[in-house]
Amino acid sequence: EAGVAQSPRYKIIEKRQSVAFWCNPISGHATLYWYQQILGQGPKLLIQFQNNGVVDDSQLPKDRFSAERLKGVDSTLKIQPAKLEDSAVYLCASSLNWGAEAFFGQGTRLTVV
Amino acid sequence: TQLLEQSPQFLSIQEGENLTVYCNSSSVFSSLQWYRQEPGEGPVLLVTVVTGGEVKKLKRLTFQFGDARKDSSLHITAAQPGDTGLYLCAVMGNAGNMLTFGGGTRLMVKP
Repeated sequence: EAGVAQSPRYKIIEKRQSVAFWCNPISGHATLYWYQQILGQGPKLLIQFQNNGVVDDSQLPKDRFSAERLKGVDSTLKIQPAKLEDSAVYLCASSLNWGAEAFFGQGTRLTVV
Repeated sequence: TQLLEQSPQFLSIQEGENLTVYCNSSSVFSSLQWYRQEPGEGPVLLVTVVTGGEVKKLKRLTFQFGDARKDSSLHITAAQPGDTGLYLCAVMGNAGNMLTFGGGTRLMVKP
């Protein structure tokens, strides 16, 4: 069974530029999460989708971050404009449903210079 | 203040030693999960504990959920270099949403 796929693996951008990350969850998984993991810290939940609806986005900085999962499958996370403090690994995870085991992708390492 | 406080933050030990890491909170949880994350990878679920006082074993790893379901510990016996990684505890919200992680314990086991 294929795991959670994320791309790109690495991205370097200048501050004030825009960037987008893509996630393809495990087939059939209704729940999708995006996390931000700053170096040396645990992952912080940004947004949780159930199919194509948002369950929770209370920790998403909505002035610069946006995410969508239009068809309830793939998802994109966008940052516009990026700040230095956005440098982190962005992890995508999916689970069969609410409360089920979450499976993580390898993440996208973003460096903002 | 973080929902889950993990300690220690860093731990460096020699191969063969035993160790215990902790996950504490002032809140009560219906269940708690432990993950391990290796460099360049996402976290991988090790175990879920559900019942207060529950002890689960996974080879050389022993997980315990506190009687009051507010804290948990992970004990590793005879640590090996392959145990090196970031150990994270996590809890679900009451509605089964919002998987929230602690800050993690970074373990290094030297050969």
